[in-house]
Amino acid sequence: DAMVIQNPRYQVTQFGKPVTLSCSQTLNHNVMYWYQQKSSQAPKLLFHYYDKDFNNEADTPDNFQSRRPNTSFCFLDIRSPGLGDAAMYLCATSSATGGVGYTFGSGTRLTVV
Amino acid sequence: QKEVEQNSGPLSVPEGAIASLNCTYSDRGSQSFFWYRQYSGKSPELIMSIYSNGDKEDGRFTAQLNKASQYVSLLIRDSQPSDSATYLCAPRRDNYGQNFVFGPGTRLSVLP
Repeated sequence: DAMVIQNPRYQVTQFGKPVTLSCSQTLNHNVMYWYQQKSSQAPKLLFHYYDKDFNNEADTPDNFQSRRPNTSFCFLDIRSPGLGDAAMYLCATSSATGGVGYTFGSGTRLTVV
Repeated sequence: QKEVEQNSGPLSVPEGAIASLNCTYSDRGSQSFFWYRQYSGKSPELIMSIYSNGDKEDGRFTAQLNKASQYVSLLIRDSQPSDSATYLCAPRRDNYGQNFVFGPGTRLSVLP
C-alpha cells in the first residue's frame, strides 16, 4: 500500500547531540511537511517542500533543518537538541493538485536526555 | 485573535448521543476545511473535508460550513467509545502546497 513511513518510531538523543529523523513516501506527492507536536497541543508546521523548493516557517528555530534529496525522502535534522525539543515529529505529504488533505506518517517520538 | 479556535474540551457525551464539535477561523481566504481525528500517541487521520457552505454527510459524520460566519462544525451521530479522540479542525490557507493551520483540537470522550 502507498504510504508515508517515518523512522524511527521512538528516538532518544542526548542534549546537544545532532539527530536526524527520516520520512519516506510511496505516494509520489509533490509536497512534504514536517510538523512538531507537543503534548496536548496542535501540530505546528516547521517547514515544507514543494518539490525541491524549501519553505521555512518564520518562527521555526535555526536549530531545525531539513533535506529532501529526492521525491520520496525527506529528513529533519536537529542540530543541537534541547529539552524543549522533545515532541512528536510528524511527516505529512500532499499532492499539489486536488482537494485532498494530508497523509501523515506514524510520527517519531523524540526524547532528549 | 488565534487563526483557528476550538473548545479544548474535554467534551463528554454518552454512547449513542450526538457529539457536536465547533471551530471558528479568522482567515477569510480559507477555501476548504478538514477535520482530522487523532488518537492519543498516534498521528492525525483525515475524516472529513468540506468546501462549500452547507452540510456534507459521510456515514455517522456531518460537516457543516458557514463561510460568512467563519464557522465550521463536525457532528458525530450515534457516538461510540471508539470515537474518543482529539478532533483537529484545519482550514486550508491557500492552494499552494495546501498549507494547513491546525486548530488546538477538541478532546472528545464518549462514555459507555
